[in-house]
Amino acid sequence: GAVVSQHPSWVICKSGTSVKIECRSLDFQATTMFWYRQFPKQSLMLMATSNEGSKATYEQGVEKDKFLINHASLTLSTLTVTSAHPEDSSFYICSARDGGSPREEQFFGPGTRLTVL
Amino acid sequence: GQNIDQPTEMTATEGAIVQINCTYQTSGFNGLFWYQQHAGEAPTFLSYNVLDGLEEKGRFSSFLSRSKGYSYLLLKELQMKDSASYLCAVSDSNYQLIWGAGTKLIIKP
Repeated sequence: GAVVSQHPSWVICKSGTSVKIECRSLDFQATTMFWYRQFPKQSLMLMATSNEGSKATYEQGVEKDKFLINHASLTLSTLTVTSAHPEDSSFYICSARDGGSPREEQFFGPGTRLTVL
Repeated sequence: GQNIDQPTEMTATEGAIVQINCTYQTSGFNGLFWYQQHAGEAPTFLSYNVLDGLEEKGRFSSFLSRSKGYSYLLLKELQMKDSASYLCAVSDSNYQLIWGAGTKLIIKP
C-alpha cells in the first residue's frame, strides 16, 4: 500500500525558533499534499493544501507567513513553523493524495508532535 | 455550509456490535471515507463508499445512502484494540476531505 513518511516524529524547541517538518510519499507520486493540525481531543484541522510546483492554498485563519509550505517535488512537501510559540504546540499530520488512485484517497503520515517551550 | 455530524462518544462491550452514524451536507460528493485514529497516532484508512449500499471488510462494514446524506460504520466482534476515534470524512466536489469531529469509541470488557 501507499506509504507516507514524516520527519521528525517529535520535536521540542525554544520559543522563537523555526522548525521544519518533512512529508514524503515513498512509493507513489503525490500531486497534492495536505497539512493538518490536531490539538488534544479535537478533530483534524486542515491548515493548507499544497500542489507540486505551485503555492499552497491556506485555510482561513492560518497565517501563511508563519506556516511556510514548500512542495518542491512530487514526493516531498515541507512545513516550516516560523518563530514558534507555545500555542503552536500541536500534533501536525501530513497526508498525500495519490493522483493515480480512482478514489483520490489520502494517505497519512505518522504525524509530528511539536512542543514549543 | 458544509457539515459532517457524528456522535462524540460511544461505549460498547467487548465481543458486541456497534454502529457509528455519520450524516453529511457538502457541496458535491465524491465519496465518503472512514478512518480510525488511535490516541497520539495519525488516522488510518478503514473504508470508502461512493455508491449506495454496504461494503464489508472483515469485522468492519460501511454503509452509504447518498439520497439521505447518511453513512454508518459497523464494527462486529469488538476487541479492546478497537478502542479509538473513528473519523467520517466526505470528499467534496473539489476532492477535498471535509472531516467530522470524530467518534470516540470506548470498549469495555
